[in-house]
Amino acid sequence: AQSVTQLGSHVSVSEGALVLLRCNYSSSVPPYLFWYVQYPNQGLQLLLKYTSAATLVKGINGFEAEFKKSETSFHLTKPSAHMSDAAEYFCAVSDRGYGGSQGNLIFGKGTKLSVKP
Amino acid sequence: EPEVTQTPSHQVTQMGQEVILRCVPISNHLYFYWYRQILGQKVEFLVSFYNNEISEKSEIFDDQFSVERPDGSNFTLKIRSTKLEDSAMYFCASSEGRAGNTEAFFGQGTRLTVV
Repeated sequence: AQSVTQLGSHVSVSEGALVLLRCNYSSSVPPYLFWYVQYPNQGLQLLLKYTSAATLVKGINGFEAEFKKSETSFHLTKPSAHMSDAAEYFCAVSDRGYGGSQGNLIFGKGTKLSVKP
Repeated sequence: EPEVTQTPSHQVTQMGQEVILRCVPISNHLYFYWYRQILGQKVEFLVSFYNNEISEKSEIFDDQFSVERPDGSNFTLKIRSTKLEDSAMYFCASSEGRAGNTEAFFGQGTRLTVV
């Protein structure tokens, strides 16, 4: 079984500060890992994904995440926060379709990011 | 840019009533999904659909739920007799391949409120 834990339901940073959103996963098979962002009144948009190539993954809007197998982590970072980054961020894991599954996404509870001027 | 479209954006219904949530997936996608998010909780997988049949469903997707692709463009989720605990945001998604291998594109969601 797979699961995702996002530490901190709400993170607040100042504009220009580092953004760090934490995600730890549990998976019995090599996972695929994803970060999705949800802006107010909008759907889920893929920020980036890890699919077993480079462990440091770069996404849209200046975000990146590093896959650390030893720590079972996939934390999301951005060097300098912008007001437009205020949104809810979801980490998700997939089993890639092992064992005949559909590789469906298992989401974390989400972290709401606030950016102060 | 192609997108997944969901209607309505907000639906209010009385307990016990049937509701149909509608989705138009991206046209060349083959896999379709419904997820839901109860307020303050995780986004949860409900069901996946491929080749005109359910390919996987979660324990949440019980007999009161059904999905259908009535024509070449729509993908619907029906809840036969709504309960208060069905109140949630329902997301439709589609992908070219399995969601674990290819990007799943999500719609804006339908907020269902059961009163």
